[in-house]
Formats: sequence, C-alpha cells, structure tokens
Amino acid sequence: NAGVTQTPKFQVLKTGQSMTLQCAQDMNHNSMYWYRQDPGMGLRLIYYSASEGTTDKGEVPNGYNVSRLNKREFSLRLESAAPSQTSVYFCASSSLRIPLTNEQFFGPGTRLTVL
Amino acid sequence: KNEVEQSPQNLTAQEGEFITINCSYSVGISALHWLQQHPGGGIVSLFMLSSGKKKHGRLIATINIQEKHSSLHITASHPRDSAVYICAVTSFGNEKLTFGTGTRLTIIP
Repeated sequence: NAGVTQTPKFQVLKTGQSMTLQCAQDMNHNSMYWYRQDPGMGLRLIYYSASEGTTDKGEVPNGYNVSRLNKREFSLRLESAAPSQTSVYFCASSSLRIPLTNEQFFGPGTRLTVL
Repeated sequence: KNEVEQSPQNLTAQEGEFITINCSYSVGISALHWLQQHPGGGIVSLFMLSSGKKKHGRLIATINIQEKHSSLHITASHPRDSAVYICAVTSFGNEKLTFGTGTRLTIIP
C-alpha cells in the first residue's frame, strides 16, 4: 500500500498562474483533508471531504477550490496564485471507523512557491 | 489564545537525555494526537490517546484529562529523534483536528 500520495512534490508559480495539487489514498478512507503549513503556525485546514461527493470549507478556504473526484482522489486547485499562498501543502485521510478519534494519515507534502 | 499550546517551541539536548514536550488544550476533547515531522519529510502519527498513558519503544505519551494536559517523553534520546513534534486534538462532535504549532527537537551527538 502506498498510503497517501501527493503530486507534485515541488512547484514554483508566478502570481496569477493556476495549478492543481493531486492527492490519492489507497486505504479506502472516507474522509480526506487539505492543510497548509506555514512557519510558526500550526497546520491549518483548507478544505475537507467527509465522503465521496461532499466537500466543506475549513479554516482558510479563500483562494482555493477542491474536487473529490472519487473515493480515492481529492484535488486542490489554486485558480490565481498569490504570494500569500506560498506554503507547504499536506493532504491527509482518515477512516473514522473508530468513532471520535480521527487518526489521520498524511501525504509527503507539496512545497509551493509563488513569485 | 490558541486552543492547543505546546512548550517548549524549541528544545536542544544531548544524546541520551530524557526529553519532555508538553501540550495544553482549552477545549473538551475526544482524543489527543502526537505527530512527528522530520526535516523536509512528511507527518506520521505517533500516538492517539484519550486517557492514561501509551508507550511505543522509547516514546511515552501521557494525558491528564482533568488538567487538559499531555506530555510526550523520549527516553535515551538519539540524534534520529530530531524532528518537529506536533500535538493535535479532536473535539467532541467535530471530526477535524486542531493543531499546536509544534516543538522542534534537536538531539546533539
């Protein structure tokens, strides 16, 4: 099992460009998450998807869109990148089979720089 | 005030020392998580606990629900333990995690 995979690992964009970060999991998890990690701050939730076909905003959704393509895949799109979106992005998934505990499994991260 | 506070923010110790990292939280929780992030690497879950104490190798995690406090201990620390350790909580009725800002641990040989 690969667990949670993310592509690309690194990306440099110019302000105004668009891109999509891809995430896939092979653990048959229902829930998937997108986080950003910035220096001096904890991981912050951008969007999450509790099940296939549903998505909800997290703490910092502005400037992002998501698609839960199927149970395995959850993509994050930046329509018009801004320097403030320079960050490391992590995708995660969880099964919630154990109620109330929500152990999450993380991908390796995407380091994005917006010039 | 953040819902999850960690201390210290940075910790440097000699190889072999006993390490303690603290986490305090201000909300009612259903579970507390300790995560490890190596430099340039991904994030892995170390422990998930809702009461008492858990041990895995040289790592021990404890939680005091009444005091809203958890500690992560590392015995006989080793340079490969150098990483950022992150505390996170799951609140009742909310599947989302709330994260602390992390403790950067450096173990010097």
